[in-house]
Amino acid sequence: GAGVSQSPSNKVTEKGKDVELRCDPISGHTALYWYRQRLGQGLEFLIYFQGNSAPDKSGLPSDRFSAERTGESVSTLTIQRTQQEDSAVYLCASSSREYQETQYFGPGTRLLVL
Amino acid sequence: GENVEQHPSTLSVQEGDSAVIKCTYSDSASNYFPWYKQELGKGPQLIIDIRSNVGEKKDQRIAVTLNKTAKHFSLHITETQPEDSAVYFCAAYLRGGSEKLVFGKGTKLTVNP
Repeated sequence: GAGVSQSPSNKVTEKGKDVELRCDPISGHTALYWYRQRLGQGLEFLIYFQGNSAPDKSGLPSDRFSAERTGESVSTLTIQRTQQEDSAVYLCASSSREYQETQYFGPGTRLLVL
Repeated sequence: GENVEQHPSTLSVQEGDSAVIKCTYSDSASNYFPWYKQELGKGPQLIIDIRSNVGEKKDQRIAVTLNKTAKHFSLHITETQPEDSAVYFCAAYLRGGSEKLVFGKGTKLTVNP
């Protein structure tokens, strides 16, 4: 079946602008995660959604970052007033309720803030 | 919280040789350990995983071993091929705990033809 999809694949924006990144999880997956990966670095947890429970926002680096998810479907990650240090690859992953630990990743959105 | 250390950060081998990447974790309650392969410009791909009730798992040329006492686990790739060149990440997860994967910093593997 279809895997996790993300859009756009690449995004170039100017400092100070807002950006919105989208993630479509695998159908039926209740858990959805967002990660940030700076160039040549590991994966940094941002936020986690599980079904209709309150999201775990403990990894969001500042109040300029927010994410929404409607039910168990698509999620959007919004970065307001972008800064150059926000340049990174933003990865989304999803997993099933039964095997929440087994996460499947999308291809990522490469964000460049000029 | 959980902390995962991964070594080495870079590894270069000749085609046909074996490659071993090691990770240690801090939380003895962690019970799931996946390995991901990330090729340039792509998202991480799950290649193998192991749960805490198993000591070793194999899938063709790759294997993972887990030592719960020492709190470390390793990825073994045999008969390496140029297409194995990628960045490999280990991770640890506590089911029933934080419900988050904690990742190592990655190992860049280069297989020279």
